[in-house]
Amino acid sequence: GENVEQHPSTLSVQEGDSAVIKCTYSDSASNYFPWYKQELGKRPQLIIDIRSNVGEKKDQRIAVTLNKTAKHFSLHITETQPEDSAVYFCAASSVAGSARQLTFGSGTQLTVLP
Amino acid sequence: ETGVTQSPTHLIKTRGQQVTLRCSSQSGHNTVSWYQQALGQGPQFIFQYYREEENGRGNFPPRFSGLQFPNYSSELNVNALELDDSALYLCASSSGQGYNEQFFGPGTRLTVL
Repeated sequence: GENVEQHPSTLSVQEGDSAVIKCTYSDSASNYFPWYKQELGKRPQLIIDIRSNVGEKKDQRIAVTLNKTAKHFSLHITETQPEDSAVYFCAASSVAGSARQLTFGSGTQLTVLP
Repeated sequence: ETGVTQSPTHLIKTRGQQVTLRCSSQSGHNTVSWYQQALGQGPQFIFQYYREEENGRGNFPPRFSGLQFPNYSSELNVNALELDDSALYLCASSSGQGYNEQFFGPGTRLTVL
Protein backbone atom coordinates (compact mmCIF):
# COMPACT_ATOMS: atom_id res chain seq x y z
CA GLY A 1 0.00 0.00 0.00
CA GLU A 2 0.86 3.67 -0.09
CA ASN A 3 3.33 5.07 2.43
CA VAL A 4 3.73 8.81 3.01
CA GLU A 5 6.63 10.27 4.97
CA GLN A 6 6.60 13.87 6.15
CA HIS A 7 9.41 16.11 7.43
CA PRO A 8 10.10 17.91 9.64
CA SER A 9 7.90 16.85 12.55
CA THR A 10 8.26 20.29 14.15
CA LEU A 11 9.13 23.64 12.59
CA SER A 12 9.52 27.03 14.23
CA VAL A 13 9.86 30.19 12.14
CA GLN A 14 9.83 33.91 12.83
CA GLU A 15 6.78 35.82 11.69
CA GLY A 16 7.30 36.94 8.10
CA ASP A 17 9.71 34.14 7.25
CA SER A 18 8.90 31.24 4.93
CA ALA A 19 8.11 27.67 5.97
CA VAL A 20 8.63 24.55 3.89
CA ILE A 21 7.27 21.09 4.66
CA LYS A 22 8.27 18.08 2.56
CA CYS A 23 6.60 14.75 1.87
CA THR A 24 7.50 11.64 -0.09
CA TYR A 25 5.17 8.91 -1.28
CA SER A 26 5.71 5.36 -2.49
CA ASP A 27 2.84 4.49 -4.85
CA SER A 28 3.45 5.80 -8.36
CA ALA A 29 -0.29 5.38 -9.05
CA SER A 30 -1.17 8.11 -6.53
CA ASN A 31 -2.50 11.08 -8.45
CA TYR A 32 -3.86 13.59 -5.95
CA PHE A 33 -2.00 15.29 -3.11
CA PRO A 34 -3.91 17.47 -0.64
CA TRP A 35 -2.58 19.41 2.31
CA TYR A 36 -4.62 19.83 5.47
CA LYS A 37 -4.24 22.25 8.36
CA GLN A 38 -5.45 21.09 11.75
CA GLU A 39 -5.67 23.45 14.69
CA LEU A 40 -5.83 22.04 18.20
CA GLY A 41 -9.15 20.29 18.79
CA LYS A 42 -10.45 21.13 15.32
CA ARG A 43 -11.10 19.20 12.13
CA PRO A 44 -8.48 18.95 9.36
CA GLN A 45 -9.15 21.67 6.80
CA LEU A 46 -8.09 21.43 3.19
CA ILE A 47 -5.80 24.35 2.38
CA ILE A 48 -4.44 23.42 -1.04
CA ASP A 49 -4.19 20.40 -3.29
CA ILE A 50 -2.41 19.36 -6.46
CA ARG A 51 -3.07 16.73 -9.06
CA SER A 52 -0.40 14.66 -10.75
CA ASN A 53 -0.73 16.42 -14.10
CA VAL A 54 0.44 19.70 -12.56
CA GLY A 55 3.88 20.55 -11.18
CA GLU A 56 3.04 23.60 -9.09
CA LYS A 57 0.01 25.39 -7.70
CA LYS A 58 -0.20 28.64 -5.78
CA ASP A 59 -2.93 30.25 -3.70
CA GLN A 60 -1.91 33.59 -2.19
CA ARG A 61 0.78 32.82 0.43
CA ILE A 62 0.58 29.07 -0.02
CA ALA A 63 2.12 27.00 -2.80
CA VAL A 64 2.60 23.32 -3.43
CA THR A 65 5.12 21.68 -5.76
CA LEU A 66 5.08 18.11 -7.03
CA ASN A 67 7.92 16.05 -8.49
CA LYS A 68 6.35 12.86 -9.84
CA THR A 69 9.65 11.34 -10.89
CA ALA A 70 11.12 11.66 -7.42
CA LYS A 71 7.75 11.03 -5.74
CA HIS A 72 7.90 14.02 -3.50
CA PHE A 73 5.80 17.10 -2.91
CA SER A 74 6.24 20.16 -0.75
CA LEU A 75 4.18 22.89 0.91
CA HIS A 76 5.56 26.41 0.92
CA ILE A 77 4.09 29.14 3.12
CA THR A 78 5.47 32.63 2.63
CA GLU A 79 5.17 35.68 4.90
CA THR A 80 4.09 33.48 7.80
CA GLN A 81 1.71 34.85 10.42
CA PRO A 82 0.98 33.65 13.98
CA GLU A 83 -2.39 32.30 12.81
CA ASP A 84 -0.51 29.90 10.51
CA SER A 85 0.55 28.02 13.66
CA ALA A 86 -1.06 24.55 13.49
CA VAL A 87 -0.34 20.96 12.52
CA TYR A 88 -0.05 20.43 8.78
CA PHE A 89 -0.64 17.07 7.14
CA CYS A 90 0.22 16.00 3.63
CA ALA A 91 -1.68 13.14 2.01
CA ALA A 92 -1.62 11.05 -1.14
CA SER A 93 -4.65 9.54 -2.81
CA SER A 94 -4.30 5.90 -3.82
CA VAL A 95 -6.58 3.02 -4.67
CA ALA A 96 -8.20 0.84 -1.96
CA GLY A 97 -10.64 -1.58 -3.57
CA SER A 98 -12.91 0.60 -5.66
CA ALA A 99 -12.23 3.60 -3.47
CA ARG A 100 -9.67 6.34 -3.54
CA GLN A 101 -8.26 6.53 -0.02
CA LEU A 102 -6.09 9.23 1.48
CA THR A 103 -2.86 8.12 3.14
CA PHE A 104 -1.60 10.82 5.49
CA GLY A 105 1.84 11.80 6.64
CA SER A 106 2.59 12.00 10.35
CA GLY A 107 2.17 15.77 10.51
CA THR A 108 4.31 18.87 11.05
CA GLN A 109 3.72 21.14 14.04
CA LEU A 110 4.38 24.64 12.70
CA THR A 111 4.92 27.41 15.21
CA VAL A 112 5.18 31.00 13.98
CA LEU A 113 6.89 33.15 16.57
CA PRO A 114 5.74 36.79 16.75
CA GLU B 1 -16.96 25.54 7.97
CA THR B 2 -17.99 22.52 5.88
CA GLY B 3 -21.46 20.95 6.08
CA VAL B 4 -20.15 17.64 7.45
CA THR B 5 -21.46 16.92 10.94
CA GLN B 6 -20.70 14.14 13.41
CA SER B 7 -22.26 12.91 16.63
CA PRO B 8 -21.58 12.57 19.44
CA THR B 9 -18.64 14.93 20.01
CA HIS B 10 -17.25 12.93 22.90
CA LEU B 11 -17.82 9.41 24.15
CA ILE B 12 -16.42 7.32 26.98
CA LYS B 13 -16.74 3.54 26.88
CA THR B 14 -15.18 0.59 28.69
CA ARG B 15 -13.19 -2.20 27.16
CA GLY B 16 -15.37 -4.85 25.49
CA GLN B 17 -18.29 -2.52 24.84
CA GLN B 18 -19.68 -1.54 21.45
CA VAL B 19 -20.02 1.97 20.02
CA THR B 20 -21.83 3.62 17.12
CA LEU B 21 -20.66 6.93 15.66
CA ARG B 22 -22.66 8.98 13.17
CA CYS B 23 -21.84 11.24 10.25
CA SER B 24 -23.93 13.43 7.98
CA SER B 25 -22.28 14.26 4.71
CA GLN B 26 -22.13 17.63 3.03
CA SER B 27 -25.06 18.43 0.76
CA GLY B 28 -24.47 16.95 -2.69
CA HIS B 29 -21.86 14.47 -1.50
CA ASN B 30 -22.59 10.75 -1.87
CA THR B 31 -19.35 9.26 -0.56
CA VAL B 32 -18.28 8.99 3.07
CA SER B 33 -14.86 7.90 4.31
CA TRP B 34 -13.98 7.15 7.92
CA TYR B 35 -10.59 7.77 9.52
CA GLN B 36 -9.06 7.06 12.90
CA GLN B 37 -6.68 9.70 14.26
CA ALA B 38 -4.64 8.66 17.28
CA LEU B 39 -3.10 11.42 19.38
CA GLY B 40 -0.15 13.04 17.62
CA GLN B 41 -0.61 11.10 14.39
CA GLY B 42 -2.17 11.59 10.99
CA PRO B 43 -5.61 10.18 10.19
CA GLN B 44 -5.66 6.51 9.12
CA PHE B 45 -8.19 5.28 6.55
CA ILE B 46 -10.72 2.80 7.94
CA PHE B 47 -13.16 2.41 5.04
CA GLN B 48 -15.25 4.24 2.49
CA TYR B 49 -18.95 3.99 1.60
CA TYR B 50 -20.39 4.85 -1.79
CA ARG B 51 -24.04 4.31 -2.70
CA GLU B 52 -24.61 2.36 0.51
CA GLU B 53 -21.81 -0.14 -0.19
CA GLU B 54 -18.36 -0.44 1.37
CA ASN B 55 -16.05 0.02 -1.60
CA GLY B 56 -12.65 0.18 0.04
CA ARG B 57 -11.08 -0.71 3.36
CA GLY B 58 -7.85 0.06 5.17
CA ASN B 59 -5.95 -2.14 7.58
CA PHE B 60 -8.63 -2.44 10.27
CA PRO B 61 -10.15 -5.65 11.70
CA PRO B 62 -13.74 -6.76 10.98
CA ARG B 63 -14.94 -5.49 14.37
CA PHE B 64 -14.89 -2.09 12.64
CA SER B 65 -17.98 -2.00 10.44
CA GLY B 66 -20.20 0.60 8.90
CA LEU B 67 -23.36 1.53 7.11
CA GLN B 68 -24.45 4.17 4.67
CA PHE B 69 -28.07 5.21 4.38
CA PRO B 70 -30.06 6.38 1.33
CA ASN B 71 -29.56 10.01 2.41
CA TYR B 72 -25.77 9.32 2.33
CA SER B 73 -25.33 9.67 6.07
CA SER B 74 -23.17 6.98 7.62
CA GLU B 75 -22.45 5.08 10.80
CA LEU B 76 -19.24 3.57 12.11
CA ASN B 77 -19.65 0.66 14.51
CA VAL B 78 -16.85 -0.73 16.63
CA ASN B 79 -17.39 -3.95 18.57
CA ALA B 80 -15.35 -5.40 21.43
CA LEU B 81 -13.64 -2.09 22.16
CA GLU B 82 -9.97 -2.16 23.06
CA LEU B 83 -7.91 0.48 24.85
CA ASP B 84 -6.06 1.25 21.59
CA ASP B 85 -9.34 2.23 19.97
CA SER B 86 -9.16 5.49 21.92
CA ALA B 87 -8.81 8.14 19.21
CA LEU B 88 -10.51 10.90 17.26
CA TYR B 89 -12.79 9.38 14.63
CA LEU B 90 -13.24 11.56 11.58
CA CYS B 91 -15.58 11.19 8.69
CA ALA B 92 -15.01 12.92 5.38
CA SER B 93 -17.48 13.39 2.58
CA SER B 94 -16.80 13.74 -1.12
CA SER B 95 -18.66 13.69 -4.37
CA GLY B 96 -18.42 10.54 -6.47
CA GLN B 97 -16.49 7.35 -6.07
CA GLY B 98 -13.34 8.59 -7.71
CA TYR B 99 -13.59 12.27 -6.84
CA ASN B 100 -10.73 13.05 -4.56
CA GLU B 101 -11.47 16.22 -2.62
CA GLN B 102 -12.60 15.23 0.87
CA PHE B 103 -14.07 17.50 3.53
CA PHE B 104 -13.84 16.46 7.14
CA GLY B 105 -16.32 16.61 9.95
CA PRO B 106 -15.37 17.81 13.46
CA GLY B 107 -14.79 14.28 14.70
CA THR B 108 -15.89 12.15 17.65
CA ARG B 109 -13.40 11.80 20.49
CA LEU B 110 -13.68 8.20 21.79
CA THR B 111 -12.05 7.24 25.06
CA VAL B 112 -11.92 3.56 26.02
CA LEU B 113 -11.23 2.85 29.69
